[in-house]
Amino acid sequence: GAGVSQSPRYKVAKRGQDVALRCDPISGHVSLFWYQQALGQGPEFLTYFQNEAQLDKSGLPSDRFFAERPEGSVSTLKIQRTQQEDSAVYLCASSLRGEGLAKNIQYFGAGTRLSVL
Amino acid sequence: AQSVTQLGSHVSVSEGALVLLRCNYSSSVPPYLFWYVQYPNQGLQLLLKYTSAATLVKGINGFEAEFKKSETSFHLTKPSAHMSDAAEYFCAVLVNTGNQFYFGTGTSLTVIP
Repeated sequence: GAGVSQSPRYKVAKRGQDVALRCDPISGHVSLFWYQQALGQGPEFLTYFQNEAQLDKSGLPSDRFFAERPEGSVSTLKIQRTQQEDSAVYLCASSLRGEGLAKNIQYFGAGTRLSVL
Repeated sequence: AQSVTQLGSHVSVSEGALVLLRCNYSSSVPPYLFWYVQYPNQGLQLLLKYTSAATLVKGINGFEAEFKKSETSFHLTKPSAHMSDAAEYFCAVLVNTGNQFYFGTGTSLTVIP
């Protein structure tokens, strides 16, 4: 596609519900990133994939957060038993190559705004 | 450890005036530094980046930034603000691993007509 697409754009969940957020990266992009952006804050790194391999998940805040990219394209971020502190905008980004971002531009999606009531 | 600090969460300038958005970094090794812009309901867009080449970096939309090692700064400037520059601006440093950013808390720029 022309850009990184995320769905849904808005999600309201009751506390304790499970949610799944989808990211369609730019076609052919090797690297995929998830970020969490709380209100009034900068994005915080959650996890990174190179093709289908999850190479870094050091930013996932708890074991309730799980991400996958089984075929090396679309990725899903799943949050189990949502809590109010999970309310944030979840951003997905992709980049063409698997090498470091010093030489490799990240393209961001518009994000999914999750509100947990 | 790497981190960035953006001084001033809100900046207002008159249309045509100089834009100056401040970013200071902390890094134990020579950093890679970035500025991103975020328009409402859109994803982040790369404005410019410093990757140890020229210290004065020119980006899109007339923005530029200067890397000053002695001041550990990477401030973003634009000589003449335009109404379309109103947005949220984020400074970021790249972690050694090469695939993890630390973002600042952002500066919201308002342009007054």
